[in-house]
Order: sequence, then C-alpha cells, then structure tokens
Amino acid sequence: GAVVSQHPSWVICKSGTSVKIECRSLDFQATTMFWYRQFPKQSLMLMATSNEGSKATYEQGVEKDKFLINHASLTLSTLTVTSAHPEDSSFYICSARESLDTEAFFGQGTRLTVV
Amino acid sequence: DAKTTQPPSMDCAEGRAANLPCNHSTISGNEYVYWYRQIHSQGPQYIIHGLKNNETNEMASLIITEDRKSSTLILPHATLRDTAVYYCIVGSNDYKLSFGAGTTVTVRA
Repeated sequence: GAVVSQHPSWVICKSGTSVKIECRSLDFQATTMFWYRQFPKQSLMLMATSNEGSKATYEQGVEKDKFLINHASLTLSTLTVTSAHPEDSSFYICSARESLDTEAFFGQGTRLTVV
Repeated sequence: DAKTTQPPSMDCAEGRAANLPCNHSTISGNEYVYWYRQIHSQGPQYIIHGLKNNETNEMASLIITEDRKSSTLILPHATLRDTAVYYCIVGSNDYKLSFGAGTTVTVRA
C-alpha cells in the first residue's frame, strides 16, 4: 500500500517553544491531508484538513493560530505547534488520501512531549 | 457524517476467526465503510473498505448487509499480532474520516 511518512517520530521540547512536524506522501500525490491528535487511552481526534495551495480548515475548538498548517506541495504538509505547553503533549498523526473512493493512509505518528 | 457503533471490547482465541460487528444505520448511499486498526503507539493501519458488496483481501473480509446499516469485519485466523483497537468508519463526502471509540480486540493464546 501507499506510504505516508511523518518526521520526527518523537520530540521533546521546552514549554514556550515551537515544534514542526512533517507529513509526506511518498508514492502518491495528496491534494488533501489530515491532522489528528490522540491523547492516552482516547481515540483519534481530527484537528484540521490541510489543502494544497490553500488555507487549512480547522475543526471546532482547534486554535488555528496555535496549530499552524502548511501544505506547500502535493506531497508535503507540516504542522507547527506554536508556543507549546505541557497540555499540548500528545500523539499527532497525519493521513492522506488520493481520492474519495480510496483508502486513507496514515503516518506512524509523532509523540510530542512538552516539558 | 454517519455515526458508527461498535462493542467496546472483545476477546478471541488465537487461530480462530474473529468477527467484529459495526452498526451504521444512518449511512448514506455514497458513503463507504472503512476499517482500520491501531496497534499501541502506532498510526492506524488500513484493513479494508467497501461500498455495497462484500470485500476480501489478504488481511480480512468485510461483509455489508443488504440495507447497508451494519457490517462485520472478519479476521479469518486471528494471531496474537492482531491484538489492537479496530475502528469502523463511514467515509464522508469531504474526504474526512472521523474515528469513534473502536473495539479493543485481545487475541489470547
């Protein structure tokens, strides 16, 4: 199946700093990518939809100024957690789909710990 | 998006078939049924998806009822490595996949 790669797999940062997470579709072009967040023992929560060449669409309750999303090419989307705080510590996962009738492929996830 | 209902957990014996049910009574005509699983601390893994017909691949079979209001994922010969949280998701018209609580499947030797 298609491959979606995230980088880094884990990151530890100090409170108040910003962290960038990359999501790449390695063997297909994805006009749309998605960012999820998952807290321990909970399900994945959709944060935003990343559209190539346009602004991201954020789910209700997700701060767009805190979670900056850039989708500069058909194979790369980035999520930047700005001014991170300990409550932002979570497992962040991206996914990408080629079209509506194809499956979504997920990255391996990024474990963010803010200390 | 149509909502899905799954049992919170189930156990199954290694080597036996595992049948995972899912109800999606509000599914609309152009929405697909997707199944994913998530092994601890990893990203979700695609298993199978279907629209109306039953589907089979190397991992599993998907049985969708004629009225499309429910489906069953079948793992034909469960192994210990199949222990995971299994998510049944109905695909939306805007490409988004929204995850519910899923079913925690524990395969026991």
